Amino acid sequence: DAKTTQPPSMDCAEGRAANLPCNHSTISGNEYVYWYRQIHSQGPQYIIHGLKNNETNEMASLIITEDRKSSTLILPHATLRDTAVYYCIVRAYNNAGNMLTFGGGTRLMVKP
Amino acid sequence: DTGVSQDPRHKITKRGQNVTFRCDPISEHNRLYWYRQTLGQGPEFLTYFQNEAQLEKSRLLSDRFSAERPKGSFSTLEIQRTEQGDSAMYLCASSFLTGVLDEQFFGPGTRLTVL
Repeated sequence: DAKTTQPPSMDCAEGRAANLPCNHSTISGNEYVYWYRQIHSQGPQYIIHGLKNNETNEMASLIITEDRKSSTLILPHATLRDTAVYYCIVRAYNNAGNMLTFGGGTRLMVKP
Repeated sequence: DTGVSQDPRHKITKRGQNVTFRCDPISEHNRLYWYRQTLGQGPEFLTYFQNEAQLEKSRLLSDRFSAERPKGSFSTLEIQRTEQGDSAMYLCASSFLTGVLDEQFFGPGTRLTVL
């Protein structure tokens, strides 16, 4: 699976949009971009995934550049409960196994 | 609560002792994963099962580690002759493979401290 690069930490004001970038310049055509987050003392939680089109769900939006070499996770109105480590993961789909390869992630601190 | 559960949540043991952790996945999920997470790092894959078959093991899973999933339901992870380097959070996740997503649902983890 392709490697990802994320900033180690970011701050965001409560109520504002949090934009978390991820670089995955070696992504292959069959690899998807997944985002998970891990709130302190909990297991990771799935947020969203995409291949090449922008995606939106009730938690977040995922913007993938046209060349697919980078993406941005957007939390439109960050709350204090969004403080967590956010992991960008690139993974190919195959039947042999779909383990997740986590990097260091971005520690997002939402401040009042 | 119908999520993934893990037991115990915390385990303190002395070096050289054996420990066993249990994971109960979401009932209809056919895939079960074990990960290990050390402080400040992201989780690292250890092994996964599809139903009762253990299909892949990481090189991190030394011969002191063994995992089982009898009858394709709950799973156990045993560590024999624990070492201080085994101190970590052990996370279990389960999923039901449907198409691309294979969303993994994680449990709260078992925090192991080896003294």
